[in-house]
Amino acid sequence: ETGVTQTPRHLVMGMTNKKSLKCEQHLGHNAMYWYKQSAKKPLELMFVYSLEERVENNSVPSRFSPECPNSSHLFLHLHTLQPEDSALYLCASSQEERQGARGTEAFFGQGTRLTVV
Amino acid sequence: AQKVTQAQTEISVVEKEDVTLDCVYETRDTTYYLFWYKQPPSGELVFLIRRNSFDEQNEISGRYSWNFQKSTSSFNFTITASQVVDSAVYFCALSESNDYKLSFGAGTTVTVRA
Repeated sequence: ETGVTQTPRHLVMGMTNKKSLKCEQHLGHNAMYWYKQSAKKPLELMFVYSLEERVENNSVPSRFSPECPNSSHLFLHLHTLQPEDSALYLCASSQEERQGARGTEAFFGQGTRLTVV
Repeated sequence: AQKVTQAQTEISVVEKEDVTLDCVYETRDTTYYLFWYKQPPSGELVFLIRRNSFDEQNEISGRYSWNFQKSTSSFNFTITASQVVDSAVYFCALSESNDYKLSFGAGTTVTVRA
């Protein structure tokens, strides 16, 4: 139990569907992240929110839309996905000491295994 | 350019053997942080260790030990007397001083056979 909870654990969706992934952290952290883990590829950072403000967007297609309503919750809204978007989506959180300071360890959820058919 | 290289894709050992996982990193920063994470079959990444670039002291935690050598840009991880529960994918990662991103290596799959 890492203190980061993701739902659902598994999701199968068609290319025309709209769905959302949810992440909740119970650690009191002030930064949250979405990572994508595809087969045979290193983990890729998608989005970062620090103090509820999006601070990084790594050239992610617009069919992925993040939302961070407060410091404990993070969503990833999905629409018109492609089969190549099938992957494990991992949420993480960390406590950044101040803006510009990095290097604290991130705690990860168990991920949502997404399959696009 | 890949910042973290884990050259070993898979390692298979018999229980009680030692196993060493290699990690080589690349950065121009003088301040950076190195991490190891474990990903068991359940999927979550479990934090194991964090090291900053100014602390080259090796660390031991139970059956786990880490060897940080700046001269060779390596941060290797050894599991002593491996157990079946150590079977997982292990990731080495780098965080540079002004970057939110953890740059992960490709991971090494460790299989420990009874």
